Amino acid sequence: AQSVAQPEDQVNVAEGNPLTVKCTYSVSGNPYLFWYVQYPNRGLQFLLKYITGDNLVKGSYGFEAEFNKSQTSFHLKKPSALVSDSALYFCAVRDRYGNNRLAFGKGNQVVVIP
Amino acid sequence: DSGVTQTPKHLITATGQRVTLRCSPRSGDLSVYWYQQSLDQGLQFLIQYYNGEERAKGNILERFSAQQFPDLHSELNLSSLELGDSALYFCASSAIGGQVTGELFFGEGSRLTVL
Repeated sequence: AQSVAQPEDQVNVAEGNPLTVKCTYSVSGNPYLFWYVQYPNRGLQFLLKYITGDNLVKGSYGFEAEFNKSQTSFHLKKPSALVSDSALYFCAVRDRYGNNRLAFGKGNQVVVIP
Repeated sequence: DSGVTQTPKHLITATGQRVTLRCSPRSGDLSVYWYQQSLDQGLQFLIQYYNGEERAKGNILERFSAQQFPDLHSELNLSSLELGDSALYFCASSAIGGQVTGELFFGEGSRLTVL
């Protein structure tokens, strides 16, 4: 079954510094990969996805993610973090062959320090 | 605003009771998904419906059941509630083919507390 791992519970970064949130995946076949963000007391919001093509995917709010097949990773990045980026970030994967469900990681709490 | 509406937002009940959570998907979306979010288990997929029919099943307990009605709204029924069922329950929807791209639109959740 497909799964994702987000190894860090919390990521602390100073405002203006680069932000990276790590994700590795396990899936049969080629994956569909996603990042979602959850602000306090809100539902999850879609940020970006990788389906095929360019390994660098650009998404909402200045976020991007890099797909690395050899390392089975899909790390989320932002060049310059904002205090408003403080939230819970989820990586998710769906395999291409017949399984319609998304498997989410446990999430990473990002804290951007002013 | 995602366009997905969930009610109630908060619910407090006792062990052994039964509750129903309701979800209205985005206008035009045929697929509805239910997820459970808890601190120890993270975000767990429960069940998916497409146009009234069950499409995929995840880690849903036998005490839980769901259905999708002709108007496409969905209900998640939780019975014989236990303390461990306390969690945030999310509904999400997607358009026809939306599942192919994985863009789910989430409601703001129903927080269930079992005392």
